[in-house]
Amino acid sequence: ILNVEQSPQSLHVQEGDSTNFTCSFPSSNFYALHWYRWETAKSPEALFVMTLNGDEKKKGRISATLNTKEGYSYLYIKGSQPEDSATYLCAFTTSGTYKYIFGTGTRLKVLA
Amino acid sequence: DGGITQSPKYLFRKEGQNVTLSCEQNLNHDAMYWYRQDPGQGLRLIYYSQIVNDFQKGDIAEGYSVSREKKESFPLTVTSAQKNPTAFYLCASSMMGGSNQPQHFGDGTRLSIL
Repeated sequence: ILNVEQSPQSLHVQEGDSTNFTCSFPSSNFYALHWYRWETAKSPEALFVMTLNGDEKKKGRISATLNTKEGYSYLYIKGSQPEDSATYLCAFTTSGTYKYIFGTGTRLKVLA
Repeated sequence: DGGITQSPKYLFRKEGQNVTLSCEQNLNHDAMYWYRQDPGQGLRLIYYSQIVNDFQKGDIAEGYSVSREKKESFPLTVTSAQKNPTAFYLCASSMMGGSNQPQHFGDGTRLSIL
């Protein structure tokens, strides 16, 4: 059974702090790694899709890196703001399938 | 505005009753998915469909059924055979082309047992 692990499970940071989370996934048969942001009472929103080893993506203060050989991805938030408070999900997909395998998420709370 | 609409937002089921959760999308996406979320767990795949009139079981399909008669609609029926249906259900869609496409999600339906 393919498993995706995310850490930490939750964290609280002060406004202005930078933070990062980890997504670990099986390194074999890798196809793509997805990051989503899920705010309370809203639907999950796609942040990044990464497919190549060494990929780096950036969207405003949020960036992500990908290491397919060792099976991990980091999500970074620079200068956290209260509006960054959300659960961040990663999902892994393998070649030859249309299934997305989700981690349990990292719940971020940014304190003003 | 294009998007995915799930209804109802809250649903209550009596013992032995089947209930149907609605999912409609106007994004012209070929692929649609149903997920279940339980506390402390990631999203688990119930069913998915890549094209009209075709769908595949996900990891936890027992006690559920789906249909895909139209491209824009993918309703999920929670049958009486599903012994623990209380959960949050999310519907998603993506463009055809494989799993390097981001998924778009609805707002979810919370199902509870009376």
